[in-house]
Amino acid sequence: DTGVSQDPRHKITKRGQNVTFRCDPISEHNRLYWYRQTLGQGPEFLTYFQNEAQLEKSRLLSDRFSAERPKGSFSTLEIQRTEQGDSAMYLCASSLTGLAGGPTFGPGTRLTVL
Amino acid sequence: KNEVEQSPQNLTAQEGEFITINCSYSVGISALHWLQQHPGGGIVSLFMLSSGKKKHGRLIATINIQEKHSSLHITASHPRDSAVYICAVSLTPPNTGNQFYFGTGTSLTVIP
Repeated sequence: DTGVSQDPRHKITKRGQNVTFRCDPISEHNRLYWYRQTLGQGPEFLTYFQNEAQLEKSRLLSDRFSAERPKGSFSTLEIQRTEQGDSAMYLCASSLTGLAGGPTFGPGTRLTVL
Repeated sequence: KNEVEQSPQNLTAQEGEFITINCSYSVGISALHWLQQHPGGGIVSLFMLSSGKKKHGRLIATINIQEKHSSLHITASHPRDSAVYICAVSLTPPNTGNQFYFGTGTSLTVIP
């Protein structure tokens, strides 16, 4: 296990379409986070899981966004009825509970909504 | 107001210069992280600090817990150091839900 992976790396879609991103965290990490990053900004928190439980969701996460982590391993982030404002880099990170250890980030999925 | 503030937002330096990036935070933390993001690249962790100072190659990170302030120094800067440097903090339990707050980053350009 060499780190956090995300798929796809790039996604171009038309407004109104649905998109789904996948994140595979480091296998022994029980916490998984989704962040959104726009140009010139630091990551903005979207949601996080501890094992399979989604414990917190940001107010940024509208009803069009849904995230799952069905078996406590990989996670998916789905955006329904995409809007141009959804264009951003979507970052996944994982970490261990109870440690002050830093998050390990995936390479991100860059979404462009036309 | 952001929980984590960085300065400067943008920095341009000549190759070889000594560079300092500052980070201040307003919440109780268990650790502070310095992260690096190259243009179009992923985010990698440079340092995790809870006290004192750490050094890795030409990079030095310091933290003053009482003043809630950290600095990242780069000695003998090189064009390959050009990147965005992000400060992040791990919150003190029990406020561990979100766990990490991020600054908006400092964009560094080192000119040959």
